[in-house]
Amino acid sequence: NAGVTQTPKFRVLKTGQSMTLLCAQDMNHEYMYWYRQDPGMGLRLIHYSVGEGTTAKGEVPDGYNVSRLKKQNFLLGLESAAPSQTSVYFCASSAIPGLAGIQETQYFGPGTRLLVL
Amino acid sequence: SQQGEEDPQALSIQEGENATMNCSYKTSINNLQWYRQNSGRGLVHLILIRSNEREKHSGRLRVTLDTSKKSSSLLITASRAADTASYFCGGDSGGGADGLTFGKGTHLIIQP
Repeated sequence: NAGVTQTPKFRVLKTGQSMTLLCAQDMNHEYMYWYRQDPGMGLRLIHYSVGEGTTAKGEVPDGYNVSRLKKQNFLLGLESAAPSQTSVYFCASSAIPGLAGIQETQYFGPGTRLLVL
Repeated sequence: SQQGEEDPQALSIQEGENATMNCSYKTSINNLQWYRQNSGRGLVHLILIRSNEREKHSGRLRVTLDTSKKSSSLLITASRAADTASYFCGGDSGGGADGLTFGKGTHLIIQP
């Protein structure tokens, strides 16, 4: 199993450009999440999904959109990038807790470093 | 707002010593999770402690939880150079569905 993978690993954008970050998981997890991490900070939740076709806003959703068309994929879009969106973006997934002793552990991807000029 | 706040922000100890990190959180939780992040990598889950538990062990890790004080501690015994990393606590208020709320982390350096 590859676990959680993220594409691309690194990207440079100019202000106003758009892009999509792709997250894929092969663990058949229902829940998926997008976080951002800024220097000296912990992770902050952008959007999350509790199943295919569903999405919800997290703590810092402004400027981002997401889609979960397939269970294994969770896409994060930036429609018009701003320098304030320079960050490292992490995707995570987890199973539904309580089933056969499954815990609420989140499994993280390696991150995407985004620089907006 | 950040649920967890780790203390200290940075900790440097000698290899073989024990390292203790603390975490305080603001609102009620179902469970509290500790994660490790090596430089430039994603977070790796270490241990989960539920709100009805007071202490949990996993190998060289010992986690305590005091819900009355809304605080948790992570103890790493007999530290190794490979333990050098940032450690984050994350509070789960929604049964896992709506994500974790993390603190800023403790950066741990193990001196060889």
